[in-house]
Amino acid sequence: DAGITQSPRYKITETGRQVTLMCHQTWSHSYMFWYRQDLGHGLRLIYYSAAADITDKGEVPDGYVVSRSKTENFPLTLESATRSQTSVYFCASSESVAGSGTFGSGTRLTVV
Amino acid sequence: AQTVTQSQPEMSVQEAETVTLSCTYDTSESDYYLFWYKQPPSRQMILVIRQEAYKQQNATENRFSVNFQKAAKSFSLKISDSQLGDAAMYFCAYRTPLSGNTPLVFGKGTRLSVIA
Repeated sequence: DAGITQSPRYKITETGRQVTLMCHQTWSHSYMFWYRQDLGHGLRLIYYSAAADITDKGEVPDGYVVSRSKTENFPLTLESATRSQTSVYFCASSESVAGSGTFGSGTRLTVV
Repeated sequence: AQTVTQSQPEMSVQEAETVTLSCTYDTSESDYYLFWYKQPPSRQMILVIRQEAYKQQNATENRFSVNFQKAAKSFSLKISDSQLGDAAMYFCAYRTPLSGNTPLVFGKGTRLSVIA
């Protein structure tokens, strides 16, 4: 099915563990984004990518790593999870800089 | 840096009535895009309406319309004939195309309750 999918939908992990959140889109959109949503903060940008092998930091990149070896995939890795990274994570893609972006369903990550 | 401010953390409206959600933004750009997103309890982010800054005419999508005041940097969302299904978090967002691959900048959101 066409669209943007995130996995897993829910994840519980322990402090210090590495965890990877997956994002896959089927439109071949050039632009992809990772946001985190926290109460009182709205959505804040973690990393974004304009094309395969091109990534840039957003507002809150510390503790996160991304890669984009293929246009359709944009995984987000927490190298050593901390409790402050408990959040809902959204992936989005866009066909152009003027696009509104299409969002995945989000991943709720809990770090205990 | 661009910022987006939603000054109303929570709003409520009676079913069938009209409600206006406020949004202001700060930018030095002249060309940009503004958006309103709806996030129901399902967590899905749904685009409600979009406005191009170079267009003077306010965007409208069925019961949803905006009041875009470029000089005042204001972009409010009006929901007419409110329905129970309109209850959600609403986010205002800004984006400029002029600087390359710029992402959306979001406000902190307004939680809208609809009272039957």
